[in-house]
Amino acid sequence: SAVISQKPSRDICQRGTSLTIQCQVDSQVTMMFWYRQQPGQSLTLIATANQGSEATYESGFVIDKFPISRPNLTFSTLTVSNMSPEDSSIYLCSVERQGQATEAFFGQGTRLTVV
Amino acid sequence: DAKTTQPTSMDCAEGRAANLPCNHSTISGNEYVYWYRQIHSQGPQYIIHGLKNNETNEMASLIITEDRKSSTLILPHATLRDTAVYYCIVRVVGAGNMLTFGGGTRLMVKP
Repeated sequence: SAVISQKPSRDICQRGTSLTIQCQVDSQVTMMFWYRQQPGQSLTLIATANQGSEATYESGFVIDKFPISRPNLTFSTLTVSNMSPEDSSIYLCSVERQGQATEAFFGQGTRLTVV
Repeated sequence: DAKTTQPTSMDCAEGRAANLPCNHSTISGNEYVYWYRQIHSQGPQYIIHGLKNNETNEMASLIITEDRKSSTLILPHATLRDTAVYYCIVRVVGAGNMLTFGGGTRLMVKP
């Protein structure tokens, strides 16, 4: 298994500001993913972050709004930029190890409220 | 496009088996069936996965039909702590293949 630590666990932010969420894994992993879960909804993938390359964003998500860093194999950050109340969600980091049939591990999430 | 169809919600009595169905009629030959659950205010938790054979682990059993178009997750003795949203996901295993979450089934285990 993999132990994932996300910081902060929750935050209340003013609109127009930015928040950087950290994801730390206790072992080296190839793939890291960032998801968003809006209130009462399922999870939606924002982007895939590989070490040493640009993140790959899903439709509807752009780098200017959600810049991602992946400086090494155990750490990644997601920034939510120029926040509005519509960005209020839970943001989750997920990791996966390469293998024949892998399982994904999730952090506990960051609950963001924009006021 | 939704690849799986699950009932929105289900109830189960504590101590009884919870059987959660999932339809995946367009599943490809190289796609696995994965089950995750999300307990309130927590990140999703892996439960089990399978390709075509039935699988069992310490948490649950996974029954996949012969044509692979549907499956059932079985929690043999549901407890109150099993109350969660259960997600059935089909995916090709390999680097870069992320999980696509549908609506899931909200399971309520009642005393």
